[in-house]
Amino acid sequence: DIQMTQSPSSLSASVGDRVTITCRASHIIGNYLNWYQHKPGKAPKLLIYAASSLQSGVPSRFSGSAFGTDFTLTISRLQPEDFATYYCQESTGSPYRFGQGTKLEIK
Amino acid sequence: EVQLLESGGGQVQPGGSLRLSCAASGFAFSSYSMTWVRLSPGKGLEWVAVISGNSVDLDYADSVKGRFSISRDNSKSTLYLHMNSLSAEDTAVYYCASCSPHCLRGWFGPWGQGTLVTVSS
Repeated sequence: DIQMTQSPSSLSASVGDRVTITCRASHIIGNYLNWYQHKPGKAPKLLIYAASSLQSGVPSRFSGSAFGTDFTLTISRLQPEDFATYYCQESTGSPYRFGQGTKLEIK
Repeated sequence: EVQLLESGGGQVQPGGSLRLSCAASGFAFSSYSMTWVRLSPGKGLEWVAVISGNSVDLDYADSVKGRFSISRDNSKSTLYLHMNSLSAEDTAVYYCASCSPHCLRGWFGPWGQGTLVTVSS
């Protein structure tokens, strides 16, 4: 199985900050890497698919990039509604492993 | 507008069974693979099962294989998850999601709001 190592597990930041979340795959997965946002009691939301493609309707302050087996999600200027938990996910096949999650909190 | 609405969650005793449903609307349901994902207390997201649009291809996480069964009724635009031999480790919020249109080498979304399953005596 492919393992996904996501860091950090938690992050404190202020409105207007730039933040970066990283996910590392244990094997080469090409660009089959997606990012999701989840708020308590809400449906998870797809932000970025195929490593760097912005899902329709998602603000352009969200971006994704890839370098080998390392993937990053960047939020350029944090807004109050961005405080949530973020997950990466590989989609090369079963078991469609998710990262452990990054809880983004207000400083 | 795409909508996914889960139902069927609740409290069940260890060893018990439950059937979850996911009613879909706003898209060509039969053309999309569908999946179940769960979020356990204090843990992250865990993929559970996937089914292709024509129900030919099915796959399960090792943690539920042999106990859970995914199915769909395209005439009703509804996805199901039949859960047997439940244990405390199955306690979670269960989400259904559509795929893009395939989960393999694709992505999950949109997602439903989830239904809570609690396994406790």
